[in-house]
Amino acid sequence: DTAVSQTPKYLVTQMGNDKSIKCEQNLGHDTMYWYKQDSKKFLKIMFSYNNKELIINETVPNRFSPKSPDKAHLNLHINSLELGDSAVYFCASSHSYNVRGTEAFFGQGTRLTVV
Amino acid sequence: DQQVKQNSPSLSVQEGRISILNCDYTNSMFDYFLWYKKYPAEGPTFLISISSIKDKNEDGRFTVFLNKSAKHLSLHIVPSQPGDSAVYFCAASALNTGFQKLVFGTGTRLLVSP
Repeated sequence: DTAVSQTPKYLVTQMGNDKSIKCEQNLGHDTMYWYKQDSKKFLKIMFSYNNKELIINETVPNRFSPKSPDKAHLNLHINSLELGDSAVYFCASSHSYNVRGTEAFFGQGTRLTVV
Repeated sequence: DQQVKQNSPSLSVQEGRISILNCDYTNSMFDYFLWYKKYPAEGPTFLISISSIKDKNEDGRFTVFLNKSAKHLSLHIVPSQPGDSAVYFCAASALNTGFQKLVFGTGTRLLVSP
């Protein structure tokens, strides 16, 4: 029973398309995140939501729009995809945003390839 | 600006020996550090953490050491097992920027041979 699940696992699409990645967690966590791992293997936070409220929004192009319909789901929608968006996107969740000792649990990742 | 650095991209160790993975950081505001382990095609999984008020934390075969003055931490795995072969990421956070805003290093690939 997967704790943090993302779909799809692989996504190949053409430049200019719009795509979404879905994430669901069944851990009862309040906080969810999107991280991006680029070709240089840097894993960087993009967004964080706590109880459906956006709390972290790093310098990410506004073509990326997270949506949290409820605290168990955090989807990532990407408009007008560019070649540089190719990366592995990880969803994660944790109990609380600002409580020590609450490590993040990660999904398996979505490998996005823009051609 | 890479605030968390893992300068060794790979490390090979024989089964039963000690594995030592190193991590350096530049941001003096970091006060909580974590190690994550990642297998291919899977997401990172939490391994062990340490607060800046401590200099050592141990969990079974895994021990993390923190040297705040040197801005350096290390993960020791003793004894190493073939199943430990994975990529290990060091991560750090600063309370004033939000505890769960983790800043990751680029990882060290550990290979434990039988």
